[in-house]
Amino acid sequence: DAGVIQSPRHEVTEMGQEVTLRCKPISGHDYLFWYRQTMMRGLELLIYFNNNVPIDDSGMPEDRFSAKMPNASFSTLKIQPSEPRDSAVYFCASSWGPETQYFGPGTRLLVL
Amino acid sequence: KQEVTQIPAALSVPEGENLVLNCSFTDSAIYNLQWFRQDPGKGLTSLLLIQSSQREQTSGRLNASLDKSSGRSTLYIAASQPGDSATYLCAASYNNNDMRFGAGTRLTVKP
Repeated sequence: DAGVIQSPRHEVTEMGQEVTLRCKPISGHDYLFWYRQTMMRGLELLIYFNNNVPIDDSGMPEDRFSAKMPNASFSTLKIQPSEPRDSAVYFCASSWGPETQYFGPGTRLLVL
Repeated sequence: KQEVTQIPAALSVPEGENLVLNCSFTDSAIYNLQWFRQDPGKGLTSLLLIQSSQREQTSGRLNASLDKSSGRSTLYIAASQPGDSATYLCAASYNNNDMRFGAGTRLTVKP
């Protein structure tokens, strides 16, 4: 398996634009997680899905953030409208049950 | 509040030295605890996972221990190598998947 795949790897956008981050989990994994990492706040869980259903989105910072998982092999994290304070590295991770999470390489987002 | 703390924030050691990284968590009702490695500009790689019912896990030169009663975990690295240089993060899982991360310890192993 290729591991967790994220795209794009880097994204530079202007404030107010819509940003869509994509994730393909490891085949067969039933959990998918979205994290955000910044120098100030470290690594934070934003939302996670189980069998494509959002279970806990309490970490989503505000209504500008939304996440979907239309099928077992694809998820998106959308920010609309984006703001400079959204600049961070966004990681997607997947797991089989409540076991070891496998992380993708991350998407580095810079909002100007 | 469920907080995870890692001390020290940074550590520099000469090659070959054995070392211990520390992790503490405020809520002992964890489901499991994981240690991750993160290289600069990269994602996280899981090193060891300790279930709440376990006391330690070993993988090669790495040994992780868990003491729920004191809210502590340690990662022991034997015979450190320059390739071990990275940031090491511990993460405590609550309610199966609510994972709280420490800020990490940045390790540098000098040749």
